[in-house]
Amino acid sequence: KQEVTQIPAALSVPEGENLVLNCSFTDSAIYNLQWFRQDPGKGLTSLLLIQSSQREQTSGRLNASLDKSSGRSTLYIAASQPGDSATYLCAVGQYNFNKFYFGSGTKLNVKP
Amino acid sequence: DAGVIQSPRHEVTEMGQEVTLRCKLISGHNSLFWYRQTMMRGLELLIYFNNNVPIDDSGMPEDRFSAKMPNASFSTLKIQPSEPRDSAVYFCASSWTSGGLDTQYFGPGTRLTVL
Repeated sequence: KQEVTQIPAALSVPEGENLVLNCSFTDSAIYNLQWFRQDPGKGLTSLLLIQSSQREQTSGRLNASLDKSSGRSTLYIAASQPGDSATYLCAVGQYNFNKFYFGSGTKLNVKP
Repeated sequence: DAGVIQSPRHEVTEMGQEVTLRCKLISGHNSLFWYRQTMMRGLELLIYFNNNVPIDDSGMPEDRFSAKMPNASFSTLKIQPSEPRDSAVYFCASSWTSGGLDTQYFGPGTRLTVL
């Protein structure tokens, strides 16, 4: 069974800092990988989806990379803002099992 | 587009009672996913439908849980009888897909408390 790990569980940074969130997975035979944002008391919002054939995806200040061989993905946030404070989850799409496996998330706090 | 709609947003019930959670998909989407989120276990897939047909229900905890899609845009998740350990936030998500692995759009969730 695919295991998805996100480290650290929590991160606090000052506004304006560039930061990297990490996601690792045990089975490299993935179909795709999706990064989500979850605000307190809310549902998940999809940020970026990377297909297994891609190395990275960009949306505004966000850049997600994928290295299947090493079982890793990173979400890079440039020039962080207090509005970026949320929990970020990665989800690995496992084709053989036709489902996403979620990490437990990294709770990000960007201090003004 | 209104997004995925879930009701109720909060539900408090007593052990043994029946609970029904509801979900309306985004118009044009053909796949529906029910998830449960707890602090201990994180986000878990309970069941997923494609074109109204249940494809994978291996995550449904036990026979007390059942899910239906009476039409292409609506789904229910029923727990009967409910137990305190069912307390969690239940999300549904929808997507346009044939394989279950495309971008998923989540609803706001239903926070269930079973006393």
